[in-house]
Amino acid sequence: GESVGLHLPTLSVQEGDNSIINCAYSNSASDYFIWYKQESGKGPQFIIDIRSNMDKRQGQRVTVLLNKTVKHLSLQIAATQPGDSAVYFCAENGVTGGGNKLTFGTGTQLKVEL
Amino acid sequence: KAGVTQTPRYLIKTRGQQVTLSCSPISGHRSVSWYQQTPGQGLQFLFEYFSETQRNKGNFPGRFSGRQFSNSRSEMNVSTLELGDSALYLCASSRGGGMNTEAFFGQGTRLTVV
Repeated sequence: GESVGLHLPTLSVQEGDNSIINCAYSNSASDYFIWYKQESGKGPQFIIDIRSNMDKRQGQRVTVLLNKTVKHLSLQIAATQPGDSAVYFCAENGVTGGGNKLTFGTGTQLKVEL
Repeated sequence: KAGVTQTPRYLIKTRGQQVTLSCSPISGHRSVSWYQQTPGQGLQFLFEYFSETQRNKGNFPGRFSGRQFSNSRSEMNVSTLELGDSALYLCASSRGGGMNTEAFFGQGTRLTVV
């Protein structure tokens, strides 16, 4: 039968504007978080990560903010470009000690308008 | 430095058959984890292997299994395939020791069960 897809929130921005993508996580014990970008037909691409002992981390054109009090993550993309169009996922790692057990959010579709 | 390599890229199988997927991690990475991505359920964790041992496991039936070899390459097997197993199967590699670090994904294997 036909499968019902997850309803992805969509964020449309004009080229050159800043984008802010939000994510809520569930496990208050999570201490490591990652943002991924996924383009159609490709695997998720690592963008930036942050540990729970930080509340902000900056990369090239991207910034991640972590608010542990309300269990919220955001990804800010400066000067958004057409190549930034993709689905963005936040992920929390539910295990420590180097293990990898990521729980992903449902994703946000970012559309960059020229 | 080569990325994570998954083979094959595409597979078509019949219900009831079994399938084996392969993943070669980034050189030096000892952790390999597997994820299933579907429109209905999003990205879900299957299991993680580290030093040839399953270290973490998700909530999938026993038909889904895996293993890791001494060179860190990993295989995933699905037996008695069902239509609902149609998905993009992704593997991710990370260093795996000590602290949690970034996980890098391959392009995935697109499995279609007919």
